[in-house]
Amino acid sequence: SQKIEQNSEALNIQEGKTATLTCNYTNYSPAYLQWYRQDPGRGPVFLLLIRENEKEKRKERLKVTFDTTLKQSLFHITASQPADSATYLCALPPFSGGYNKLIFGAGTRLAVHP
Amino acid sequence: EAGVAQSPRYKIIEKRQSVAFWCNPISGHATLYWYQQILGQGPKLLIQFQNNGVVDDSQLPKDRFSAERLKGVDSTLKIQPAKLEDSAVYLCASSLDAERAIDTQYFGPGTRLTVL
Repeated sequence: SQKIEQNSEALNIQEGKTATLTCNYTNYSPAYLQWYRQDPGRGPVFLLLIRENEKEKRKERLKVTFDTTLKQSLFHITASQPADSATYLCALPPFSGGYNKLIFGAGTRLAVHP
Repeated sequence: EAGVAQSPRYKIIEKRQSVAFWCNPISGHATLYWYQQILGQGPKLLIQFQNNGVVDDSQLPKDRFSAERLKGVDSTLKIQPAKLEDSAVYLCASSLDAERAIDTQYFGPGTRLTVL
């Protein structure tokens, strides 16, 4: 069955460093992958989408890579700030298809310390 | 542009009671989703509407959960009777039109349900 794996342990980094979060998936090849940010008590907020034919996507301090051979996406935040502290979720369309349907990973909590 | 609105924000009930959640999507969004997010997990899709029709309800426990989207705008999700394992955050999301190839989903703040 389809699986999405994100680091369950929190990632703690120092302000100004680059945070790198990992999303691994198994058992199929999605056409695209999305990253969301979720703050405590709030719903997820869309950040970036990367398609299978794109190796890399950037938006301000964010960068996403998509390695379809390794079945992995990496999410980078450069020059991290305490305000970047949140849980980051990766999501991809299910093997079974469906209109705009997404399967979410459990997320990785990022804590950026001053 | 107003975001997705949900109410109530919090609800505490006893098992076997019933509960209802309300969602008002972003104006003009044809597609509406209800997700369940259990603590420490990612959101899990329960039901997806396109206008007022159900597109996918394969993961909705239909013996106790029901949802409707009358007139293709607001939606309600009901649980009757509730079980302890229904304790979770219920998130509503909307997107412009899921029949487009890929469409961004916009989430509401969620309703935190505690079943005692």
